[in-house]
Amino acid sequence: AQSVTQLDSQVPVFEEAPVELRCNYSSSVSVYLFWYVQYPNQGLQLLLKYLSGSTLVKGINGFEAEFNKSQTSFHLRKPSVHISDTAEYFCAVSPLNTDKLIFGTGTRLQVFP
Amino acid sequence: DAGITQSPRHKVTETGTPVTLRCHQTENHRYMYWYRQDPGHGLRLIHYSYGVKDTDKGEVSDGYSVSRSKTEDFLLTLESATSSQTSVYFCAISGQGINEAFFGQGTRLTVV
Repeated sequence: AQSVTQLDSQVPVFEEAPVELRCNYSSSVSVYLFWYVQYPNQGLQLLLKYLSGSTLVKGINGFEAEFNKSQTSFHLRKPSVHISDTAEYFCAVSPLNTDKLIFGTGTRLQVFP
Repeated sequence: DAGITQSPRHKVTETGTPVTLRCHQTENHRYMYWYRQDPGHGLRLIHYSYGVKDTDKGEVSDGYSVSRSKTEDFLLTLESATSSQTSVYFCAISGQGINEAFFGQGTRLTVV
């Protein structure tokens, strides 16, 4: 079975500061890795994904994530956040050849002026 | 947004009544999914479909059934709604497996 742990349920940060949202996963098989963002009262939007190749993945809105196989982590980072980045962020994994997404419980990023 | 429409967007229903939520897509994608979102749980898969009349259970399928009689529509039915099914329900679609999934805007269901 697979599981995803997002270690922080809430992350408050001031505008223009850097941020890291943590994600660890557990799986006995290889997985694809994803980060989704959910703005208030909206559906989920794909931020970035890791399927193979370079372990540093760049996504939309200046976000990036690094896949660390030995630590089974896929932390999301942004060097300078904006007020508009306030949202809930979900890490997810998909075991290869299953067509299923398994989500973490989410991290609410709150950016203050 | 990818061509996904969920209906209704909001519904309040009474315990014990049947409820059907609809997901409609205009992308001709093969895969369709139903998730529920609850605080502290993230999103959990209820059922999914990998083609017309081909469906399978997710991790929280008890109390739910689905049907897919045509490519564009995926229906989620609560046979007898309970208060524990109060949630926000999301539909997702994908043409190439879960790696390219797009989500709908969600349906907020309240069971009183």
